[in-house]
Amino acid sequence: QQQVKQSPQSLIVQKGGISIINCAYENTAFDYFPWYQQFPGKGPALLIAIRPDVSEKKEGRFTISFNKSAKQFSLHIMDSQPGDSATYFCAASRGSNYKLTFGKGTLLTVNP
Amino acid sequence: NAGVMQNPRHLVRRRGQEARLRCSPMKGHSHVYWYRQLPEEGLKFMVYLQKENIIDESGMPKERFSAEFPKEGPSILRIQQVVRGDSAAYFCASSPTPNTGELFFGEGSRLTVL
Repeated sequence: QQQVKQSPQSLIVQKGGISIINCAYENTAFDYFPWYQQFPGKGPALLIAIRPDVSEKKEGRFTISFNKSAKQFSLHIMDSQPGDSATYFCAASRGSNYKLTFGKGTLLTVNP
Repeated sequence: NAGVMQNPRHLVRRRGQEARLRCSPMKGHSHVYWYRQLPEEGLKFMVYLQKENIIDESGMPKERFSAEFPKEGPSILRIQQVVRGDSAAYFCASSPTPNTGELFFGEGSRLTVL
């Protein structure tokens, strides 16, 4: 079964700190790796995505690091803010952007 | 608000009843996807539809579940004879194209089966 394993399950960070969430995948055919942010009672929203031809992608305070040989990718949130408190999901897909395999999510809490 | 609209937001059914969940995609989007989120789990793909066509239903349970996206009106996910294990959040997403860019998710329909 295709899986994406995400850790940690929950994370508490102080305001201004760095939040790091990790994901590992098994299927080497995956070629699209997005991260989604979900606030309570809301649907997931795309945060940032990467394809395996690059090792890093940065958008503002959010960075994806991708290690193809290790089959791992991670989300780094710099200067974490209380407004970043949400559940973050990594995902992966093969050949399309719609049939996503999601990790189980990380509940991030940023304390003021 | 031109976002993906789902209703009802909350639905309670007793075992054996039917549940119908509706999804109106973003304006201009003709591709609709349904995902299910069980408690403590990530979202799982169920089905991909275009107008009047089911494109990929590889994630749909073999029995009791069906989906449609008629020429007019919203997409509907139908669950017949619900069981407690069907209790979950059901998310609809849409996109302008199927293979590039972003999926836009609705706020979900939360089904509780008593």
